[in-house]
Amino acid sequence: KAGVTQTPRYLIKTRGQQVTLSCSPISGHRSVSWYQQTPGQGLQFLFEYFSETQRNKGNFPGRFSGRQFSNSRSEMNVSTLELGDSALYLCASSLMRNQETQYFGPGTRLLVL
Amino acid sequence: GIQVEQSPPDLILQEGANSTLRCNFSDSVNNLQWFHQNPWGQLINLFYIPSGTKQNGRLSATTVATERYSLLYISSSQTTDSGVYFCAVDGTQGGSEKLVFGKGTKLTVNP
Repeated sequence: KAGVTQTPRYLIKTRGQQVTLSCSPISGHRSVSWYQQTPGQGLQFLFEYFSETQRNKGNFPGRFSGRQFSNSRSEMNVSTLELGDSALYLCASSLMRNQETQYFGPGTRLLVL
Repeated sequence: GIQVEQSPPDLILQEGANSTLRCNFSDSVNNLQWFHQNPWGQLINLFYIPSGTKQNGRLSATTVATERYSLLYISSSQTTDSGVYFCAVDGTQGGSEKLVFGKGTKLTVNP
């Protein structure tokens, strides 16, 4: 069974631009969560989607948004990019919500210049 | 919110040595996972262990939920074990897939 896939793997943008990242969960998994990893803040939760609905959101500004499609694939969007948005963005999927092992994708490295 | 502390922050070993990594958490948990992050950034699941003991080859983990800590044991370490090990938990409030991560233990295994 294929693992979690994320596209693109690397991205360079300039301040003020917007970016869309994509995540395809493991087949059959319905829950998708997004995390941001930076050297200063570590791994931080962005949001969680289940059945096309955002179920939980971390402490990030409204510039960060996401959605989930009927096939459980998910996208996250960051508008008006800032230098501090440079990070590794990780997507995780699990079969259902609650008390389930989460499996992570390889991540998208975003560099904002 | 729940707090997760990992120790030690850095660990340097010679190949073949054993090690113990610790994870303390501040509240009851439904979900506790150990991950290994490789040099390319991929988080690899090691254990899903909210309580009890599990073993997988040279790795084993124990979580004592009543005392709010988990231990990851690495025996006969190899250079490929190098990387950052993270403990992540979810509180017992339920209804959330939010994982709270510790700051990690950076392990370096020298040949």
